[in-house]
Amino acid sequence: GESVGLHLPTLSVQEGDNSIINCAYSNSASDYFIWYKQESGKGPQFIIDIRSNMDKRQGQRVTVLLNKTVKHLSLQIAATQPGDSAVYFCAEIHTSGTYKYIFGTGTRLKVLA
Amino acid sequence: KAGVTQTPRYLIKTRGQQVTLSCSPISGHRSVSWYQQTPGQGLQFLFEYFSETQRNKGNFPGRFSGRQFSNSRSEMNVSTLELGDSALYLCASSSDRDRSEKLFFGSGTQLSVL
Repeated sequence: GESVGLHLPTLSVQEGDNSIINCAYSNSASDYFIWYKQESGKGPQFIIDIRSNMDKRQGQRVTVLLNKTVKHLSLQIAATQPGDSAVYFCAEIHTSGTYKYIFGTGTRLKVLA
Repeated sequence: KAGVTQTPRYLIKTRGQQVTLSCSPISGHRSVSWYQQTPGQGLQFLFEYFSETQRNKGNFPGRFSGRQFSNSRSEMNVSTLELGDSALYLCASSSDRDRSEKLFFGSGTQLSVL
């Protein structure tokens, strides 16, 4: 079936280092992707998005890379800070035809002091 | 602008009971969607409402239902509760006219079924 999955359930990173969180998706027709951050006791929060006609998009300290050839999405966080500790979800959205919005299983990012 | 508000924050129920959860979207947002979050299954889509009409539905049994009011506020109901219904129920709103893409989530209602 269709799914969006993450390679690593937990990622531990030293403060100040860069973090890379990966996501694999299975629906090649998906045309929009979003990364969300969920802190303890809160709902997911939008971080950054990318359309399928792009392969890279940068935000403040975050970059999303999209490789449609291998159906892979990644989130890069530069100079990781303690406040970045959270669970990160990728979401795959198929907006044409049958609408689908599928979340990945999530990766927990732990920032070590 | 106030964020998405969900009430109650915590609920404890027993098997067989029913429960109603409430969600107030961000002002101006007409789309409201509901998700169930559990450690084992992650975020699972329940349903989405737009202008008082259910626009999309996930793969949950008929015990899970929802509705949206004219002011865009939404409620979801779970009848005949089962132990497996214990989860964090998240509501999200979106301003997109045609499709709910960038979602704004509330903090959720933590439901425990005993």
